Amino acid sequence: NAGVTQTPKFQVLKTGQSMTLQCAQDMNHNSMYWYRQDPGMGLRLIYYSASEGTTDKGEVPNGYNVSRLNKREFSLRLESAAPSQTSVYFCASSQGTNAYQETQYFGPGTRLLVL
Amino acid sequence: AQSVTQLDSHVSVSEGTPVLLRCNYSSSYSPSLFWYVQHPNKGLQLLLKYTSAATLVKGINGFEAEFKKSETSFHLTKPSAHMSDAAEYFCVVSDRANNAGNMLTFGGGTRLMVKP
Repeated sequence: NAGVTQTPKFQVLKTGQSMTLQCAQDMNHNSMYWYRQDPGMGLRLIYYSASEGTTDKGEVPNGYNVSRLNKREFSLRLESAAPSQTSVYFCASSQGTNAYQETQYFGPGTRLLVL
Repeated sequence: AQSVTQLDSHVSVSEGTPVLLRCNYSSSYSPSLFWYVQHPNKGLQLLLKYTSAATLVKGINGFEAEFKKSETSFHLTKPSAHMSDAAEYFCVVSDRANNAGNMLTFGGGTRLMVKP
């Protein structure tokens, strides 16, 4: 039981390049989330998916797209990377379809540097 | 709207002494409150959560927190710090009436340092 896994662990991009961050969970959870973590700001929600086939914007969605490929996988795409997207990205999942009262389980993170 | 303020960005204690990490929240309805811990270069792990049952919540590794509605606080405590407690701690709120949907709001984090 691996929990939540993320690939890659670390990536360097040049401004304007694109990339996809991958996330998978093996806990049969319904909801999946993408966050970014910046110093002093905690985690901020980029996008979430409350069930397979649905996605919704979070607090900071601009510059990102997501795909809920199936119940296990939730990917985050940067179409044209900008230096402001330098951050640590975390994927998380939870059993239910609403964050209220639900424990979220986090992956180990992806460190992204955009030059 | 919901918000969280962690009153200290850094806290330093000696091993064996008590830990207090302070958190105040703002919520328009009946919040759920969480404390998550992040060890260096790791993902976040749930320490404990309050979901409108008992106001004193016990978590893993000897941590506990008390929900005080009158003070809008949810401070995290531990009687005796251990070296392995050194990490960053996040106070988090979720509000049932949150019109933005399925969202948690994180505080800015408190880095706990434990001196030998």
